[in-house]
Amino acid sequence: QSVLTQPPSASGTPGQRVTISCSGSSSNIGSNFVYWYQQLPGTAPKLLINVINQRPSGVPDRFSGSKSGTSASLAISGLRSEDEADYYCAAWDDSLSGWVFGGGTKLTVL
Amino acid sequence: QVQLVQSGAEVKKPGASVKVSCKASGYIFTSYDMHWVRQAPGQRPEWMGWINTANGNTKSSQRFQGRVTITRDKSASTAYMELSSLRSEDTAVYYCAREGGGFDYWGQGTLVTVSS
Repeated sequence: QSVLTQPPSASGTPGQRVTISCSGSSSNIGSNFVYWYQQLPGTAPKLLINVINQRPSGVPDRFSGSKSGTSASLAISGLRSEDEADYYCAAWDDSLSGWVFGGGTKLTVL
Repeated sequence: QVQLVQSGAEVKKPGASVKVSCKASGYIFTSYDMHWVRQAPGQRPEWMGWINTANGNTKSSQRFQGRVTITRDKSASTAYMELSSLRSEDTAVYYCAREGGGFDYWGQGTLVTVSS
């Protein structure tokens, strides 16, 4: 059972906007930054969103993050076929004194 | 450009140990902490621990305490992760990842297979 909970799957058609949720608790999302990662098959995760809503260099502004209380969301606008991947949220957990990841959401572009 | 290059795949028997290396280039090695994250097939990433590359201080996940040892060689800009008492459930891809506002750069991954 993951400390951070994500829906196992999400889908959308090209051009659509999709959101992926990540639910946590006061010891992780509620008190720390949330990070989002994209993982294409057979590759290492790639940082998409860092401190709240900042994107590393090279990440399109179609990707945005938000947080409210103990939940966070990743939004992808103008969906493209190359966005088909697994997406993970992550945060530091004060109770566990360690980093925790969500269970992952597999995004399918129909 | 920043690169983290890991050592090659390993096959180990249950009870053995494995040591994975991660050579950094393209930045000042001691300016960033290095983490180790593993991912079993079809599973979420799992954080194992980290090392302060400047002073060598380490912290590991409670799940691996007593079994994981993280070290670094500053002169070689290389971090190491050793996992002992391997069991089949340790079969996974092991990644090193630099912490720069999240894990901003990752190694290519090292597949460790534990099988008798």
